[in-house]
Amino acid sequence: QSVLTQPPSVSGAPGQRVTISCTGSSSNIGAGYDVHWYQQLPGTAPKLLIYGNSNRPSGVPDRFSGSKSGTSASLAITGLQAEDEADYYCQSYDSSLSALFGTGTKVTVL
Amino acid sequence: QVQLQESGPGLVKPSQTLSLTCTVSGGSISSGSYYWSWIRQPAGKGLEWIGRIYTSGSTNYNPSLKSRVTISVDTSKNQFSLKLSSVTAADTAVYYCARVVVAATLGTAWFDPWGQGTLVTVSS
Repeated sequence: QSVLTQPPSVSGAPGQRVTISCTGSSSNIGAGYDVHWYQQLPGTAPKLLIYGNSNRPSGVPDRFSGSKSGTSASLAITGLQAEDEADYYCQSYDSSLSALFGTGTKVTVL
Repeated sequence: QVQLQESGPGLVKPSQTLSLTCTVSGGSISSGSYYWSWIRQPAGKGLEWIGRIYTSGSTNYNPSLKSRVTISVDTSKNQFSLKLSSVTAADTAVYYCARVVVAATLGTAWFDPWGQGTLVTVSS
């Protein structure tokens, strides 16, 4: 049972902006550990989308952005496209340096 | 670029040991500040971290699985492996291997790239 909570689903029309929250606690995100985000397209392995709270790997469109504040983090997708329909997971650590994943959010493009 | 590929039996009987291997290609498993990790995902559910290993052999495991998990590395074969003992139906999942990229400390590390995953079903 994950301790990083995400909304089960978010949706938006093409071109709109959606945000996904990742809520933790003082034992994980709030303790200063970085937050990373992964995109999982249907039937495929997760792919790194954002690392170090707000950095995009090469090849990831700048429509994706990440931020972190206090005990939570957010992923924003601007200019939503049909190909963005996927599951999204945040990831951080706890004080024992066990990796933690968020509960996951399904993004639907209307 | 580095690629990872999981391999192993797709069907394991209850109470037996699940064994998987991850083969790393396109680079040496011993190079750089990387750990190597196993992650699993039951059908329709979220991701669960299983554990990680450094090429020195140092390991860390998810506390909830620690008593049943062993991760090992064979640098000569550019592989690392997972053993999960006393499996039950709850261990049925897609198992992924992934490289752990450490920017500064482990608390900053992320998973990239991932293998394609392999489905392991626990059933008699």
